[in-house]
Amino acid sequence: DTGVSQDPRHKITKRGQNVTFRCDPISEHNRLYWYRQTLGQGPEFLTYFQNEAQLEKSRLLSDRFSAERPKGSFSTLEIQRTEQGDSAMYLCASSLSGRIQGYGYTFGSGTRLTVV
Amino acid sequence: GENVEQHPSTLSVQEGDSAVIKCTYSDSASNYFPWYKQELGKGPQLIIDIRSNVGEKKDQRIAVTLNKTAKHFSLHITETQPEDSAVYFCAARPPSGDKVIFGPGTSLSVIP
Repeated sequence: DTGVSQDPRHKITKRGQNVTFRCDPISEHNRLYWYRQTLGQGPEFLTYFQNEAQLEKSRLLSDRFSAERPKGSFSTLEIQRTEQGDSAMYLCASSLSGRIQGYGYTFGSGTRLTVV
Repeated sequence: GENVEQHPSTLSVQEGDSAVIKCTYSDSASNYFPWYKQELGKGPQLIIDIRSNVGEKKDQRIAVTLNKTAKHFSLHITETQPEDSAVYFCAARPPSGDKVIFGPGTSLSVIP
């Protein structure tokens, strides 16, 4: 297993367009998280899944954002009608719930979105 | 909701010296406190974590201490090396849900 994979690494889009990002977690991990990170800030929680169930969404998450994890494996994050304020690094992480050692995440390298 | 603050925002140390980064959290019921290291162009990487029933944890050159009464925790890096240069994030896990809330980060530079 090569860790958490995110695709694409970079995306430039025009304002108003829709974009979709993909995350492939570590295969045995049942939890998957999406975070957003802007320059000079810590990652900000967006949403997370346990298997295919979306268990929590941030109150800050606009209706333009939607995430899915249809078969409990990979996940997609879609942003509709992008705005310049959506420009950020979108990070995906996975973990195995119920680990005795802790709840540490494994992050992917992220997708950098630039809205022009 | 949980709020995590972190100080300093930037830190420069000479190679071989120690570095200390401090964090405070607001939700006294938070029960898990990880530290992540982020290098340029990469996602954060877990370096050490501590649960609320433990006061201190060490792993080679890094250690974390937790003061539940004061609601603060710290990362200590001894014998710093240039490859320790990165942005470090503390985080706290509130009891509801399974997310962690990150602090704003500390940019550590180790000068050879």
